[in-house]
Amino acid sequence: GESVGLHLPTLSVQEGDNSIINCAYSNSASDYFIWYKQESGKGPQFIIDIRSNMDKRQGQRVTVLLNKTVKHLSLQIAATQPGDSAVYFCAEGEYGNKLVFGAGTILRVKS
Amino acid sequence: NAGVTQTPKFQVLKTGQSMTLQCAQDMNHEYMSWYRQDPGMGLRLIHYSVGAGITDQGEVPNGYNVSRSTTEDFPLRLLSAAPSQTSVYFCASSYLGTGVGEQYFGPGTRLTVT
Repeated sequence: GESVGLHLPTLSVQEGDNSIINCAYSNSASDYFIWYKQESGKGPQFIIDIRSNMDKRQGQRVTVLLNKTVKHLSLQIAATQPGDSAVYFCAEGEYGNKLVFGAGTILRVKS
Repeated sequence: NAGVTQTPKFQVLKTGQSMTLQCAQDMNHEYMSWYRQDPGMGLRLIHYSVGAGITDQGEVPNGYNVSRSTTEDFPLRLLSAAPSQTSVYFCASSYLGTGVGEQYFGPGTRLTVT
């Protein structure tokens, strides 16, 4: 696949452990925040989103936390599996406007 | 549904050549967009469209043109290719609704300009 993410921060976790991927955002006016997963050689895939009026949202094995005070977003993955190895991007957007993506974090799962 | 399709998968151009990257979606999405992705960086928005006949510029529009004559298609044209346009290009689509967060991405086109 393409060599994206050569200089991205990397998080290495043991299979079965929980993963926490962090993201700092810049626009205090953003209405919603999204996490995407990108596997090697593929396009990004939507994981979960959260509106600015919420501070937590849970999905299947994933939880997103939003702290607007410090403009911080995190993605927690429970019981991390080898298939979770990918680059993870956060993105922010305003209603009726475009998304702005962060640089990404590489997640490596060790078996 | 095929989702979002992009052609070609790979392309090599010489400096100064022009070409069109094709993007189509069969989900009746109003919103379509083009991003480029360079090594070590996130996706940067080139152009986007909120419906047929409506396009607007993103973060990095210079050197690219788009048009949206139908809901399904959103081609990206490189007017005069430059080495700085070597990148992976992704097309995405979504419903407008209350945001464009849940975008569906195509598989990408890897473009090399020599």
